[in-house]
Amino acid sequence: KQEVTQIPAALSVPEGENLVLNCSFTDSAIYNLQWFRQDPGKGLTSLLLIQSSQREQTSGRLNASLDKSSGRSTLYIAASQPGDSATYLCAVRPSGNTGKLIFGQGTTLQVKP
Amino acid sequence: DVKVTQSSRYLVKRTGEKVFLECVQDMDHENMFWYRQDPGLGLRLIYFSYDVKMKEKGDIPEGYSVSREKKERFSLILESASTNQTSMYLCASRSDGVTEAFFGQGTRLTVV
Repeated sequence: KQEVTQIPAALSVPEGENLVLNCSFTDSAIYNLQWFRQDPGKGLTSLLLIQSSQREQTSGRLNASLDKSSGRSTLYIAASQPGDSATYLCAVRPSGNTGKLIFGQGTTLQVKP
Repeated sequence: DVKVTQSSRYLVKRTGEKVFLECVQDMDHENMFWYRQDPGLGLRLIYFSYDVKMKEKGDIPEGYSVSREKKERFSLILESASTNQTSMYLCASRSDGVTEAFFGQGTRLTVV
């Protein structure tokens, strides 16, 4: 059974720091992995999608990597800003099903001015 | 931009009521999903639909049903609301293939 883990559960950094959020999954048979951002009380905003054949994806100050064989993904945020404060969720789409996503519990990030 | 719209941001319902949560997407996506999100339990799939009138149970379908009469609309129905269905409900859609999923803004349902 696929399980997704995100460590740490919470992270607090000063503004301007570069930081890495971690996501691990137990079964490497995946179609893709997606990173989301969730602000308190809101829905999920898609940040990056990495296909199983890709190693990384970039969007602005965000860079996500995928190492399928070791069951790991990282989300790198460069030059963090207070507006980056949110919960970050990773989700894997396992191979061979009709599209269900399996989510980690999330990392809650606070960027202090 | 893809837009997934949920009909209500906040709902308060009484125990035993029949509750309808509506979700509409504007990108002609084949697949639509209903999740609930609870502290400590994360997001769990309730039901999904891969075509009009087609549906499949997710991990926690008990106490829920769904309806997809049109491609753009996917409704979640709580047959008889109970307090343990108090939660954040999130709708998502995705086209066929290995593509990105998009979520709505969420509905915070409180059953009293």
